[in-house]
Amino acid sequence: NAGVTQTPKFQVLKTGQSMTLQCAQDMNHNSMYWYRQDPGMGLRLIYYSASEGTTDKGEVPNGYNVSRLNKREFSLRLESAAPSQTSVYFCASSETGQSYEQYFGPGTRLTVT
Amino acid sequence: LAKITQPISMDSYEGQEVNITCSHNNIATNDYITWYQQFPSQGPRFIIQGYKTKVTNEVASLFIPADRKSSTLSLPRVSLSDTAVYYCLVGALNTGNQFYFGTGTSLTVIP
Repeated sequence: NAGVTQTPKFQVLKTGQSMTLQCAQDMNHNSMYWYRQDPGMGLRLIYYSASEGTTDKGEVPNGYNVSRLNKREFSLRLESAAPSQTSVYFCASSETGQSYEQYFGPGTRLTVT
Repeated sequence: LAKITQPISMDSYEGQEVNITCSHNNIATNDYITWYQQFPSQGPRFIIQGYKTKVTNEVASLFIPADRKSSTLSLPRVSLSDTAVYYCLVGALNTGNQFYFGTGTSLTVIP
């Protein structure tokens, strides 16, 4: 039981490049989330998926897109990376959207130059 | 929901009780309060969650006053392994509202 896994662990992009961050959970959870964490700013919600087939914007969605591929997988795409997107990205899941116990992945450290 | 604030840092000696506060003046009726612990280079880990009054589990207690504009995480008899950053989260996703993390409190436990 791996919990929440994220790939890659580290990534360096040039401005304007695109990439997709992958997230998968093996806990049969219905809800999944993407956050970014910047120094001194805590975690901010980018997008979430309350259940398979639905996605909604969070606090900071601009510059990102998401896909809930199936119940297990939730990907985050940067279409044209910008230096302001340099951050640590965390994926999380919870049993339902009403469950406040979220399980977090190990994070992806992204640098955009 | 306005910014959720916490003290930036706290120090405590081993074996003492530590109380970490979170201020959430604009909390909505349906919002819950959840606390997470984060170690360096790891994702946050759930500690405790509550709506009002007091909640206790095997690792912590959560105190929420009647007006719910603040909350206090209490860690009994801290050890060196409790050195981490602690975040409160306020919100209610299931109602269509979003939820927000606080600014985080870095706790250092001193031998």
